[in-house]
Amino acid sequence: EVQLVESGGGLVQPGRSMKLSCAASGFTFSNYGMAWVRQAPKKGLEWVAYISYDGGSTYYRDPVKGRFTISRDNAKSTLYLQMDSLRSEDTATYYCTTTITTPFDYWGQGVMVTVSS
Amino acid sequence: DVLMTQTPVSLPVSLGGQVSISCRSSQSLVHSDGNTYLHWYLQKPGQSPQLLIYRVSNRFSGVPDRFSGSGSGTDFTLKISRVEPEDLGVYYCLQSTHFPPTFGAGTKLELK
Repeated sequence: EVQLVESGGGLVQPGRSMKLSCAASGFTFSNYGMAWVRQAPKKGLEWVAYISYDGGSTYYRDPVKGRFTISRDNAKSTLYLQMDSLRSEDTATYYCTTTITTPFDYWGQGVMVTVSS
Repeated sequence: DVLMTQTPVSLPVSLGGQVSISCRSSQSLVHSDGNTYLHWYLQKPGQSPQLLIYRVSNRFSGVPDRFSGSGSGTDFTLKISRVEPEDLGVYYCLQSTHFPPTFGAGTKLELK
């Protein structure tokens, strides 16, 4: 059974940094691309970033480009999202997702990030 | 970015009934490889989204055959027959043909 467990969220001041982690199990992590998708409070879903199976390729939505960094440790079956220069508009629940059969086929439970002074 | 327009925004339904949700894209979702990367998700209250249908009409693992997807080009439909209580929530379409992947704004399925 695929399991994705996010951690690292919380309250952070604007301009500060935060790092999210996603521990994966139940599948061969190193074989598949992974992504982060976020959902602002009471809003819809928004893709944030994607990383290829080996970490060799990464992609970001424009508003986070240069501020967020997606990475992975295949030895630890863990996905990361380093978020720098955080803004109020980054406030959201962040979901770790897999790309096994298709984009975003399995989702974690989500981790809340609140950017506020 | 490709704009995904879902209708209706809210959809009242009676248990056991049948409903359809529409998703239209601002440009064709036919990829150069011949596939159409249009997918459907359900987010139940208080839960993470879950994949229902991928590439227009393929049911994901464990998804009951009450759910069916159809469409082509820019016009797609999700049909739910014999609606059950666990079907209630917000449905989203997603296109991953073009970069960046974009979601529709959602359709809330609720009881009449």
